Amino acid sequence: EAGVTQSPTHLIKTRGQQATLRCSPISGHTSVYWYQQALGLGLQFLLWYDEGEERNRGNFPPRFSGRQFPNYSSELNVNALELEDSALYLCASSLALGVMAKNIQYFGAGTRLSVL
Amino acid sequence: DAKTTQPPSMDCAEGRAANLPCNHSTISGNEYVYWYRQIHSQGPQYIIHGLKNNETNEMASLIITEDRKSSTLILPHATLRDTAVYYCIVRVPGKLIFGQGTELSVKP
Repeated sequence: EAGVTQSPTHLIKTRGQQATLRCSPISGHTSVYWYQQALGLGLQFLLWYDEGEERNRGNFPPRFSGRQFPNYSSELNVNALELEDSALYLCASSLALGVMAKNIQYFGAGTRLSVL
Repeated sequence: DAKTTQPPSMDCAEGRAANLPCNHSTISGNEYVYWYRQIHSQGPQYIIHGLKNNETNEMASLIITEDRKSSTLILPHATLRDTAVYYCIVRVPGKLIFGQGTELSVKP
């Protein structure tokens, strides 16, 4: 069974540009989560999508946005890139939230975004 | 803010048990404790989780104190490949709040 897949693996952009990161969840998972891991800041929750709707977002500016498609895959868009957006962006997926005991988040390998 | 505290680093000899402690004194009655590990900037890997009973799977054991204010992750026979940052997380709905974790170094 395929795990969470993310693309691209690496992405290089310049300041002010837009970046689009993609995530395909594990088959059968309806929830997708995005996290940012910047150097020295640890893993920070960004966004949570479930059944196509944004359910929660972390403490990030509106230029971080995303969406979830009918097939449950997801995109993370970062507009007006700044140097401090350079980080590893991780996507995770899980079954629906209903049963907490089984609501394990499984992570992809991440997209490393470098903003020059 | 992270609801857990962990030692920043630990060493363990290869083949010995690694015991990683975690304090979560503000945990609520229905909040689960999850453990993940991250090997050198790869995606975090799920290890185990529990509510109040001790749990064991093929990777590790989780011991939760009766008052649920702390827990210990046990890797019974650590190998060099277990060298990683280990995160203890109190799960809140919809997201994982990662702290700084414990950097475990398994040495030959």
